[in-house]
Amino acid sequence: DAGVIQSPRHEVTEMGQEVTLRCKPISGHDYLFWYRQTMMRGLELLIYFNNNVPIDDSGMPEDRFSAKMPNASFSTLKIQPSEPRDSAVYFCASSPAISFQEGYTFGSGTRLTVV
Amino acid sequence: LAKTTQPISMDSYEGQEVNITCSHNNIATNDYITWYQQFPSQGPRFIIQGYKTKVTNEVASLFIPADRKSSTLSLPRVSLSDTAVYYCLVGEYGDDKIIFGKGTRLHILP
Repeated sequence: DAGVIQSPRHEVTEMGQEVTLRCKPISGHDYLFWYRQTMMRGLELLIYFNNNVPIDDSGMPEDRFSAKMPNASFSTLKIQPSEPRDSAVYFCASSPAISFQEGYTFGSGTRLTVV
Repeated sequence: LAKTTQPISMDSYEGQEVNITCSHNNIATNDYITWYQQFPSQGPRFIIQGYKTKVTNEVASLFIPADRKSSTLSLPRVSLSDTAVYYCLVGEYGDDKIIFGKGTRLHILP
């Protein structure tokens, strides 16, 4: 298995533009998570899905952020409009049904820079 | 989820054994202890998990005393490539989500 695949690896965009981050989880994993990492705040859980259904989006910072999982093999995190304070590394992770026991597999992340 | 406390940073030298201790005084009966490792520019990686006593795999050992209020991650004979952030997590089997703390930044010196 190729693991969790995220794209793009790097994204530089101007303030106000729409940004879409993509994630392909490991086949067969029922859970998908989006995290954001910054030096100041560390790793923050933004939202997670179970069987393509959003379960907890309490970590999504603002209405500018939205996430979808149209099928079991694809998820997107969208920021519209983007702001400089959104600059961070965004990670996607997936796990089997019993998540804590099995552990998460993270992707390599997308480094977002908003100028 | 039980709160964990671990050192912010540690330095060690190549070839030495490194022990990182995590405190989790409010651990519940059904909680497991899990450690993740994050290399620079990569996502965290699951390395070891345990419930009590000792667990060992190809990467590390995890020591858990009888009262389970703390745990120690042991890395044998570290190399420069073990420089990473190590996260201690406590949660119940079946917990849906994992909340990461600040972790311990381990720096291995030549």
